[in-house]
Amino acid sequence: EAQVTQNPRYLITVTGKKLTVTCSQNMNHEYMSWYRQDPGLGLRQIYYSMNVEVTDKGDVPEGYKVSRKEKRNFPLILESPSPNQTSLYFCASSLVGAGRSTGELFFGEGSRLTVL
Amino acid sequence: AQTVTQSQPEMSVQEAETVTLSCTYDTSENNYYLFWYKQPPSRQMILVIRQEAYKQQNATENRFSVNFQKAAKSFSLKISDSQLGDTAMYFCAFMKPRDGNYQLIWGAGTKLIIKP
Repeated sequence: EAQVTQNPRYLITVTGKKLTVTCSQNMNHEYMSWYRQDPGLGLRQIYYSMNVEVTDKGDVPEGYKVSRKEKRNFPLILESPSPNQTSLYFCASSLVGAGRSTGELFFGEGSRLTVL
Repeated sequence: AQTVTQSQPEMSVQEAETVTLSCTYDTSENNYYLFWYKQPPSRQMILVIRQEAYKQQNATENRFSVNFQKAAKSFSLKISDSQLGDTAMYFCAFMKPRDGNYQLIWGAGTKLIIKP
C-alpha cells in the first residue's frame, strides 16, 4: 500500500529535550515536505526537500532541522523544543519532474506534539 | 504572495442535501493547481479533488465537483447527496511549483457538519 508513515503519532515532552519525528514514504517520491497545523493559522510549511541531500527552508523553519540522507526518509528534528512548537505536524511527499507531476501531495497521518 | 480565503467557517446541512463550499484566491500566476482536502476527526489529510488552472473543464470525482472560475479567482466545491461520512474540515489549497518547491498555500478551512 502506498503511504507516508510518521512516528510518533502522539508525543508529550518537556522543554529542551531533543526529539525527532520520523517520516518515511514507499512511493519513490523525490519531493518531501513538513507542515505544521495550528488553530487559526492553517497549515504552514516548515522545510522541504527536492531530493536526497537537497533541503530548503519553508515559511516557518526556526527551531527545526531536517535531513534527507535517503530518498524514502525525511526526519524532522527539534533540537531544543519549546512550548510554541506544540502543534500537529504533517509530512507529505510528491512525485515531481517534467511530465510526471500532478501537483498532488500525499500526507502522513499527522503527529501531535505537546511541549510542556 | 498568494492567498486563499474560505469565507464560511462552518456549515451544516441535512444528510442527502447538496452543499457548496466557497473558496477564493489571489494570484498573478497563470498556471497553477487548486485542491480541496478533507480532514475528518481522525486528522488525516485526504485529497478530495484537484484542478489544473489551464483546464477549463471543471473537475469531478463522484459526488464531488468544483466550479472553477479562473477570471474571478473562485474555486467552490459542491458535494451532492451528502453523507454522514462527509462531516469534516474542508481546506482549499493553491499550489504554484516554484524553484523545486511544491508548497501548498492553505485556506483557513470550513467545518462541515452533516446532520442525520
